[in-house]
Amino acid sequence: LAKTTQPISMDSYEGQEVNITCSHNNIATNDYITWYQQFPSQGPRFIIQGYKTKVTNEVASLFIPADRKSSTLSLPRVSLSDTAVYYCLVLTYGNNRLAFGKGNQVVVIP
Amino acid sequence: ETGVTQTPRHLVMGMTNKKSLKCEQHLGHNAMYWYKQSAKKPLELMFVYSLEERVENNSVPSRFSPECPNSSHLFLHLHTLQPEDSALYLCASSQDPGQGADTQYFGPGTRLTVL
Repeated sequence: LAKTTQPISMDSYEGQEVNITCSHNNIATNDYITWYQQFPSQGPRFIIQGYKTKVTNEVASLFIPADRKSSTLSLPRVSLSDTAVYYCLVLTYGNNRLAFGKGNQVVVIP
Repeated sequence: ETGVTQTPRHLVMGMTNKKSLKCEQHLGHNAMYWYKQSAKKPLELMFVYSLEERVENNSVPSRFSPECPNSSHLFLHLHTLQPEDSALYLCASSQDPGQGADTQYFGPGTRLTVL
């Protein structure tokens, strides 16, 4: 099982760049790394996905080092509406696959 | 975004009631999922259906009974629930759960309260 480990929470000021790390030491060769955002009482929403190096879309960037044992989600210039829980998910197919971790609560402060 | 819809959005039921949660996906996906999320806890995967066949059942009590009549619809039948079953129940769908790049799309959830 490719478990993921993230910091529990972090605060950031509006307009700053926020970097959230995730450890996945047991990631398998075929696994991708996917990040989701969840607001209270809503379903998680896909943010970004990557396999290696760097991926960027209109919302975020994802940095994955060569060993793929960790990844970093980067949110540029956060606003108050970015306050949410961010989950890192590594897809492992077998028993207990699709296991979401505890996520990282990001609070954006004015 | 209306790719995955869930009804009802809120449900209050007694422990002796029987109710059903409904999920519908409009994305043409092959797989559907039920998750449970209790207060301040991570998502717990309950069931996975791929091409209408149940492929995963994560030790869920029998008082939760899933049904997938076709690839677009998923139900969760509830009976004789306990107060600790109160939670947000989330449905998701994805194109291909066998691929490493598979991405899940979630519905808005049903907030269930068991009295």
